[in-house]
Amino acid sequence: AQSVTQPDIHITVSEGASLELRCNYSYGATPYLFWYVQSPGQGLQLLLKYFSGDTLVQGIKGFEAEFKRSQSSFNLRKPSVHWSDAAEYFCAVPSDTGFQKLVFGTGTRLLVSP
Amino acid sequence: KAGVTQTPRYLIKTRGQQVTLSCSPISGHRSVSWYQQTPGQGLQFLFEYFSETQRNKGNFPGRFSGRQFSNSRSEMNVSTLELGDSALYLCASSPRSDNSGANVLTFGAGSRLTVL
Repeated sequence: AQSVTQPDIHITVSEGASLELRCNYSYGATPYLFWYVQSPGQGLQLLLKYFSGDTLVQGIKGFEAEFKRSQSSFNLRKPSVHWSDAAEYFCAVPSDTGFQKLVFGTGTRLLVSP
Repeated sequence: KAGVTQTPRYLIKTRGQQVTLSCSPISGHRSVSWYQQTPGQGLQFLFEYFSETQRNKGNFPGRFSGRQFSNSRSEMNVSTLELGDSALYLCASSPRSDNSGANVLTFGAGSRLTVL
């Protein structure tokens, strides 16, 4: 069955520093991969997705992610973090039972220090 | 274009009561799915509806049910509430109907249910 591992529960980054959030997946074929962000008290917002093609994908808010098949990873990066990036970030893959069912990682909470 | 609208945003119930949550998808989106989010279990899939038919269901007891109307609006119901049902319930809609996995879900802001 598909699964997603986000090994970091919390990460603290200084404002202006670079960021990398890790995501490892288990998926039978070439995966579809998603990163969502959740601000406090809000729903999930899609940051970016990988379906095929270029393994480096660009998303909103200056985020990017790189698909590495050999490492079963899809890490999220941002070169310079802003205080407004403080939120919880979720990596997700479609379930093998399909029909809109996403399997989410446990999330990484990003704290941004001044 | 309006996003996914969920009502109510917050509600408090007591054990044994029932609750109904509503979701209006993005115009033109015919697939609606529901997720439960709790600190302990994370994000878990409840069910998905397309054209008024439930196509997929997660591993939840029968107290959790849903339906979809002809205008694609959806409701979910939880009967005989338990303390553990306290959660953020998220609705998502998608314009695609296939089973490819290449479906981008747009989520609403959620309904925060507290069971006392």
